[in-house]
Amino acid sequence: RKEVEQDPGPFNVPEGATVAFNCTYSNSASQSFFWYRQDCRKEPKLLMSVYSSGNEDGRFTAQLNRASQYISLLIRDSKLSDSATYLCVVGQSGGSYIPTFGRGTSLIVHP
Amino acid sequence: DTAVSQTPKYLVTQMGNDKSIKCEQNLGHDTMYWYKQDSKKFLKIMFSYNNKELIINETVPNRFSPKSPDKAHLNLHINSLELGDSAVYFCASSQGGGGKTEAFFGQGTRLTVV
Repeated sequence: RKEVEQDPGPFNVPEGATVAFNCTYSNSASQSFFWYRQDCRKEPKLLMSVYSSGNEDGRFTAQLNRASQYISLLIRDSKLSDSATYLCVVGQSGGSYIPTFGRGTSLIVHP
Repeated sequence: DTAVSQTPKYLVTQMGNDKSIKCEQNLGHDTMYWYKQDSKKFLKIMFSYNNKELIINETVPNRFSPKSPDKAHLNLHINSLELGDSAVYFCASSQGGGGKTEAFFGQGTRLTVV
């Protein structure tokens, strides 16, 4: 079983749509969780951290379910500029934390 | 100022050569990483280096070796390059140990082995 799993997509949605991505992780001792965004031929950049209580940043909402070991990202009112790959990142424990990336979910927002 | 900078941005070389990729961060972070992103876009951790503690992903061939002259630099040296080494290599840094805080990435080095 992979450490961090995501549906690769692509998710092809019209502008204004709401889209949700899920990510599951295998290590129950994981302590930190993030969503990163990666544009084509660019480096990954932090989109938002994911807290146990859930958190929201504008049109983006992140949720963590420790019992089921999954993280979600909800994007409301999708914009063309949201088209990118969204990477789920989990901080793994075991000596030192090492951030482990999922394969990413590709989002294409069309007019 | 660029927070995490890598050089070169593009590297084309022949099989069997030895090459290095340099990485520098000016964020004062104590942890640096090297990731490999293959053609399927999967970002795979290669090394994590924190306060002189090196954590190696056991799947990385020993032809790859990180070298850290100081806390702000983590270079990647690759011996006897193979076709399968072609990928984008990202350097990153964070504060306080891997995975606990945001990681900042360099722009990547696109390595092509011919």
